[in-house]
Amino acid sequence: SQQGEEDPQALSIQEGENATMNCSYKTSINNLQWYRQNSGRGLVHLILIRSNEREKHSGRLRVTLDTSKKSSSLLITASRAADTASYFCATDSVDSNYQLIWGAGTKLIIKP
Amino acid sequence: EAQVTQNPRYLITVTGKKLTVTCSQNMNHEYMSWYRQDPGLGLRQIYYSMNVEVTDKGDVPEGYKVSRKEKRNFPLILESPSPNQTSLYFCASSFLDRGRETQYFGPGTRLLVL
Repeated sequence: SQQGEEDPQALSIQEGENATMNCSYKTSINNLQWYRQNSGRGLVHLILIRSNEREKHSGRLRVTLDTSKKSSSLLITASRAADTASYFCATDSVDSNYQLIWGAGTKLIIKP
Repeated sequence: EAQVTQNPRYLITVTGKKLTVTCSQNMNHEYMSWYRQDPGLGLRQIYYSMNVEVTDKGDVPEGYKVSRKEKRNFPLILESPSPNQTSLYFCASSFLDRGRETQYFGPGTRLLVL
């Protein structure tokens, strides 16, 4: 079952601008994870935020989590051409037995 | 180097011809999983395993089999492939304990069933 829904489905911005992607989910979670996928390749883990955390940073990435709204956002600051990829959120639900539930992804294009 | 490997990377086959996609990890992970990825549908879990000889169905298990005889290997078997199994397949693995649950993905296997 698909829990996470990313928004927007696609985003095209100029290099140097900030990119924001959102993820909404339906059930209570242990954590929410963001992954990046370059075209047709395996997914790479970016950052994990736990249900008791509200914000987390990793380099140019900033993730927020609002459990009351069941939503998360991923901000990439000062975007680069190499950030062009699809970004997925995945939730580890409280009752999921370690299964991650994935959204359909946001396709991000950084124009040089 | 810590990694998840899949073979083959590309496969074209015909309806009904049994095939196996292998998956191996060298990180001593307990948890292994198979996903399929189709346009607009994100990742859907096929089967997962929480340890040797322990497997369970994911969201789309029909038409697939798995086995976990060794900790490092988790092959995906299509006994009688059909065209609707044409997809991009990913194997992933992780530790089970909270705090180390990041999933590591293989490079993917692109399957075309004619």
